[in-house]
Amino acid sequence: QVQLQQWGAGLLKPSETLSLTCAVYGGSFSGYYWSWIRQPPGKGLEWIGEINHSGSTNYNPSLKSRVTISVDTSKNQFSLKLSSVTAADTAVYYCARGKIAVAGTGVRSWFDPWGQGTLVTVSS
Amino acid sequence: EIVLTQSPATLSLSPGERATLSCRASQSVSSYLAWYQQKPGQAPRLLIYDASNRATGIPARFSGSGSGTDFTLTISSLEPEDFAVYYCQQRSNWLVTFGPGTKVDIK
Repeated sequence: QVQLQQWGAGLLKPSETLSLTCAVYGGSFSGYYWSWIRQPPGKGLEWIGEINHSGSTNYNPSLKSRVTISVDTSKNQFSLKLSSVTAADTAVYYCARGKIAVAGTGVRSWFDPWGQGTLVTVSS
Repeated sequence: EIVLTQSPATLSLSPGERATLSCRASQSVSSYLAWYQQKPGQAPRLLIYDASNRATGIPARFSGSGSGTDFTLTISSLEPEDFAVYYCQQRSNWLVTFGPGTKVDIK
């Protein structure tokens, strides 16, 4: 059974860079897209971006200028960097395994499983 | 960007009752919609993918239906552990979006 375990700094000052890593245990790293998703306190879910085992990335246009997602296939890990953070970036950040399949009329997509989440607080 | 709208925002029901949650897309997503359950302090859990397929280990009381722009998640008889927030999700043009969620709470 695939499990995702994530870690990283939980308290940042404005303008610093957020850095999180997610390790994948118990399953294949290839054949999936590995995503980061965040959730501000009391609010809904926002997809940040994704990477596959070969390093191909897709980012949410709203965050693209500040986001870098990278992969280390030797360790079955992927990482998120978000630069120039502000209080608006305060959220619980989740890593997740994404299944994507392009079909004739659209794109099949879902996320399963998810990491445990990391609360990142941006405060001076 | 495809916008997902969920209704109602809150659904107050008693254990044993039937819950019907709606997700509407701003344009067609065919049958490619997923549903998640999230409990306080926990990560979301996949319930349904491709609009109507239950994920591994999900009880049969959860069912999904719909296609195009209108989708429904039904919980046939609410168990105490089903009171949570439910999100729908889709992907188009390589952009993933989630609905704002429906909270199912105890009446």
